[in-house]
Amino acid sequence: DIQVTQSPSSLSASVGDRVTITCRASQGISNYLAWYQQRPGEVPKLLIYGASTLESGVPSRFSGSGSGTDFTLTISSLQPEDFATYYCQKYNTALPTFGQGTKVEI
Amino acid sequence: EVQMVQSGPEVKKPGESLKISCKASGYAFTDYWVGWVRQMPGKGLEWMAIIYPGDSDTQYSPSFQGQVTISVDKSISTVYLQWSSLKASDTAMYYCARPVEASWGQGTLVTVSS
Repeated sequence: DIQVTQSPSSLSASVGDRVTITCRASQGISNYLAWYQQRPGEVPKLLIYGASTLESGVPSRFSGSGSGTDFTLTISSLQPEDFATYYCQKYNTALPTFGQGTKVEI
Repeated sequence: EVQMVQSGPEVKKPGESLKISCKASGYAFTDYWVGWVRQMPGKGLEWMAIIYPGDSDTQYSPSFQGQVTISVDKSISTVYLQWSSLKASDTAMYYCARPVEASWGQGTLVTVSS
């Protein structure tokens, strides 16, 4: 089975910072990689799919890149509402797999 | 508009059985995989199982194979997740979702306690 490893598991940042989260697949998955945001007590929200396509309504400060095994989620200028946990998810097979999550804290 | 509406919270005792539901609307139900995601308290997201309503093809994560059963009723566009004998460690929030889809179910909180 292909594993996905997300890093870091947590990070501290300030409003206005540029934040980067990485996700690595143990084998190539082309661009079948999505990113989700989950705030405490809320349902996960889809941010990016196809490694780099922004979901409708998601602010442009979020961007994704990568293909094959290495992927990145970047928040260009962190806003107060961005403090949350972020998950990558591979979906190259019918049953997807999430990464372990990255908690973005103040 | 895609909508996934789940059944309400459950409080059960260890050893009891349970079946929770997810009713889908707003899209061609039989054309898309639908699955269940577990989130234990304070922990991450885990895909448990997924089903293709068109032909009932199912896949389970190895961690959940034999522990739960996913099923579907196409006539009412509803996907189910069931346990035959709950454990305290099944206490979690359960979400239904389509992979790479913005609309998830609202979550069903299952609490298993003696």
